[in-house]
Amino acid sequence: DAKTTQPPSMDCAEGRAANLPCNHSTISGNEYVYWYRQIHSQGPQYIIHGLKNNETNEMASLIITEDRKSSTLILPHATLRDTAVYYCIVPQGGSEKLVFGKGTKLTVNP
Amino acid sequence: EPEVTQTPSHQVTQMGQEVILRCVPISNHLYFYWYRQILGQKVEFLVSFYNNEISEKSEIFDDQFSVERPDGSNFTLKIRSTKLEDSAMYFCASIPGRLGHYGYTFGSGTRLTVV
Repeated sequence: DAKTTQPPSMDCAEGRAANLPCNHSTISGNEYVYWYRQIHSQGPQYIIHGLKNNETNEMASLIITEDRKSSTLILPHATLRDTAVYYCIVPQGGSEKLVFGKGTKLTVNP
Repeated sequence: EPEVTQTPSHQVTQMGQEVILRCVPISNHLYFYWYRQILGQKVEFLVSFYNNEISEKSEIFDDQFSVERPDGSNFTLKIRSTKLEDSAMYFCASIPGRLGHYGYTFGSGTRLTVV
């Protein structure tokens, strides 16, 4: 898998935007960027994914740089329930598996 | 919203015993997966399954492990002779089509404790 680099932890105030960065400088042209999160020991939860264009859904926005070497996940109005570990994953082209790293532990503070 | 259902939520078994973990993927999904997470460690891929056969497996998925989709709805993971180091959360996941167009839906997991 294209290696991703994320900060180990971040803090955010409740109601503010949380911006989680990810570097994936070795990404190939046909590889997608995926974001998942895991709340405590629950199953990972899919958030969003993208290839080149910025994407938005009801949970978050994904901003991918033009060179595709980095991306940012934006939670526009973070709540306490968004406290979780966030994983940025770039599956290798042709592979069906996700390789989870350590992710970013986001703590949303009241 | 459709869910991936896993049973049981917690299973305790003695070392050397066989255990079967059960999953009901989302009904129109075509690709199925098992992952595990040892306490405090990363989520690890075990196996992917498509069209009634294994499409990819990790080094962890050795001869002690097997998967089956016996009846078109259930997807099971069998560990033939459990070891203490098999203690972990096991997550099932499914996806409607090839990765790249969809995100996985994961189940809530089965906590396996081998004693």
